[in-house]
Amino acid sequence: GEQVEQLPSILRVQEGSSASINCSYEDSASNYFPWYKQEPGENPKLIIDIRSNMERKQIQELIVLLDKKAKRFSLHITDTQPGDSAMYFCAASRSGGNNKLTFGQGTVLSVIP
Amino acid sequence: NSKVIQTPRYLVKGQGQKAKMRCIPEKGHPVVFWYQQNKNNEFKFLINFQNQEVLQQIDMTEKRFSAECPSNSPCSLEIQSSEAGDSALYLCASSLGANTGQLYFGEGSKLTVL
Repeated sequence: GEQVEQLPSILRVQEGSSASINCSYEDSASNYFPWYKQEPGENPKLIIDIRSNMERKQIQELIVLLDKKAKRFSLHITDTQPGDSAMYFCAASRSGGNNKLTFGQGTVLSVIP
Repeated sequence: NSKVIQTPRYLVKGQGQKAKMRCIPEKGHPVVFWYQQNKNNEFKFLINFQNQEVLQQIDMTEKRFSAECPSNSPCSLEIQSSEAGDSALYLCASSLGANTGQLYFGEGSKLTVL
């Protein structure tokens, strides 16, 4: 089955700087790549996603990039704020909402004021 | 606030006891997933349904869990005989299915097995 690797596991950045999280996947048939933010004691919340027909997507301060050839995708948070501190997970799945998401190991992001 | 409703939020069981969790998917979402998130925050897919039919499940679920999504009733996931290693957050998610792919998670049921 699909395997998703996520790095780094821990990321500390200064407020106002950018934070980048990288993921790689193995299944070339994967074509849907969401990112989830999970705060302590809460459920994972979908923050942005990208499909394989796109290379770049931006929602406000969140940018996702997808390199299908290299089987890599990444999340970039620009102008980080303390409220961005949380755990972030990447995931991958094949087409069709029936297919399960395979999650990365997670990144703990700390934004230092 | 999540539109996927999970109950209970917390449950504590002894080893060997049954542990049952329920999930009401978001209205209009025919696909339901159950995931286990362990203390290391790792996600493990357990089972998914489309309407009342099981789409996929892992061996552990088939052997040790009982799960269903009856029409007009909450979906449920029940561990038949809890083990210490089952202590985790059990997350239910629902999806429109087809080609949307977007999963929306409930708040989870945190199981502690003593």
